[in-house]
Amino acid sequence: KAGVTQTPRYLIKTRGQQVTLSCSPISGHRSVSWYQQTPGQGLQFLFEYFSETQRNKGNFPGRFSGRQFSNSRSEMNVSTLELGDSALYLCASSLEDSSNQPQHFGDGTRLSIL
Amino acid sequence: QKEVEQDPGPLSVPEGAIVSLNCTYSNSAFQYFMWYRQYSRKGPELLMYTYSSGNKEDGRFTAQVDKSSKYISLFIRDSQPSDSATYLCAMSGGGSYIPTFGRGTSLIVHP
Repeated sequence: KAGVTQTPRYLIKTRGQQVTLSCSPISGHRSVSWYQQTPGQGLQFLFEYFSETQRNKGNFPGRFSGRQFSNSRSEMNVSTLELGDSALYLCASSLEDSSNQPQHFGDGTRLSIL
Repeated sequence: QKEVEQDPGPLSVPEGAIVSLNCTYSNSAFQYFMWYRQYSRKGPELLMYTYSSGNKEDGRFTAQVDKSSKYISLFIRDSQPSDSATYLCAMSGGGSYIPTFGRGTSLIVHP
């Protein structure tokens, strides 16, 4: 069974640009969550999608947004990029309810802002 | 006080040692407990998943949950250099819809 797939693996952008990251969950998984990971802050929750609806949201500004498609694939978008957005962005999927089912992670997209 | 506390390390041990990694937490409602291993430039990989208190063993790995003390542990027996990674604990349940992660402990197993 294929794992969680994230594309692209690496991305370099400049301040002010926008970026879209993609995530394909494990087949049959309907919940997709996004996290930002930095050395200073660890794993920080961005948002979670289930059945094309945002079900939970972390404490990030509105520049961070996402969506989920009918096949459970998800994208996240960051607009007006800032230097502080440089991080590893991780996508995780679970069957339905990540409060009582484990999440499985992709290898992330490493975003560098110049 | 953070909801989940985890010593960042690094923890350096010789090959073959028994490793003990720990997390403490403050939310007594947590019911599901996970350990992830993360290698450099990779995503976290689920190692152990346990419900409520008790022990769970999988090969060289044993996860232990003590809900009365709000303390969880991961033991690695016969540690190998390939175990060198960052280990993250996570917990959820009891109204906490999204898992809460520790900051991770860096483990170095030297030959």
